[in-house]
Amino acid sequence: DAKTTQPPSMDCAEGRAANLPCNHSTISGNEYVYWYRQIHSQGPQYIIHGLKNNETNEMASLIITEDRKSSTLILPHATLRDTAVYYCIAPTTDTSGTYKYIFGTGTRLKVLA
Amino acid sequence: EAQVTQNPRYLITVTGKKLTVTCSQNMNHEYMSWYRQDPGLGLRQIYYSMNVEVTDKGDVPEGYKVSRKEKRNFPLILESPSPNQTSLYFCASSLSRPDYNEQFFGPGTRLTVL
Repeated sequence: DAKTTQPPSMDCAEGRAANLPCNHSTISGNEYVYWYRQIHSQGPQYIIHGLKNNETNEMASLIITEDRKSSTLILPHATLRDTAVYYCIAPTTDTSGTYKYIFGTGTRLKVLA
Repeated sequence: EAQVTQNPRYLITVTGKKLTVTCSQNMNHEYMSWYRQDPGLGLRQIYYSMNVEVTDKGDVPEGYKVSRKEKRNFPLILESPSPNQTSLYFCASSLSRPDYNEQFFGPGTRLTVL
C-alpha cells in the first residue's frame, strides 16, 4: 500500500501561500496522488490530483517531486475559509484487486487573520 | 445539481434496533463507497461497490451490510447496531475506479447508538 505521511497541523497567515507537504515514499509508478479537504465535519471535498507532472486548477497547485516520493499542495492566497483538514491520499489496488483509499488523519490547517 | 445525498442526517437509536442509512447519487457514477469517521482515526472505508450487484469489503466491514440493486442507490444497513458503531458516516461516489477519478462525498450522517 502507498501510505502517506503529513504533519498534523500548520498555521498560515491570511493572504499568504499555504504549503502543505506530504510524503509518499512507497508510491508506485502508476499511483496517483489525490488531495481532499474537510471543513468542520462536512463531507470531504476534492481539491486536485496528479501523477508525475505538476498540476494547477482554480483551487490549488500540486507539486510532485521528480522521484514521486513527496508532494506539496499549495494554496496561493489562503483565506479564512481555507481553514480545514487536508488529506493526501495515494489510492492503490492490492493483490486481490481491492481498492485501498486510505485517508489517514491529514493536516489541520489554520488560517490566521 | 450533481450531488450525493444521505438520509437521515442525524439518528439516535438503541442497541439492536435495525437501521438503514440511504445514499443516492444523480451523476450516473459506477463506484460508490461508505466511510466512517471517528476522532483521531480519520476516515475508514466500510464497503464499496464497483457497479450494480458488485460489492466488496473495505477496511472495517464488521457489523455492516450493503446492497447495490440500482446504480444510483447504495444503502448502508446495520442489522444489530452496537454503541461502537456510533460515528459519522459518509457516502461517496466516483465515475469509475477511485484511483483514477475524484470522489464526491455526501454531507454525512451522524449516528448515535445508545
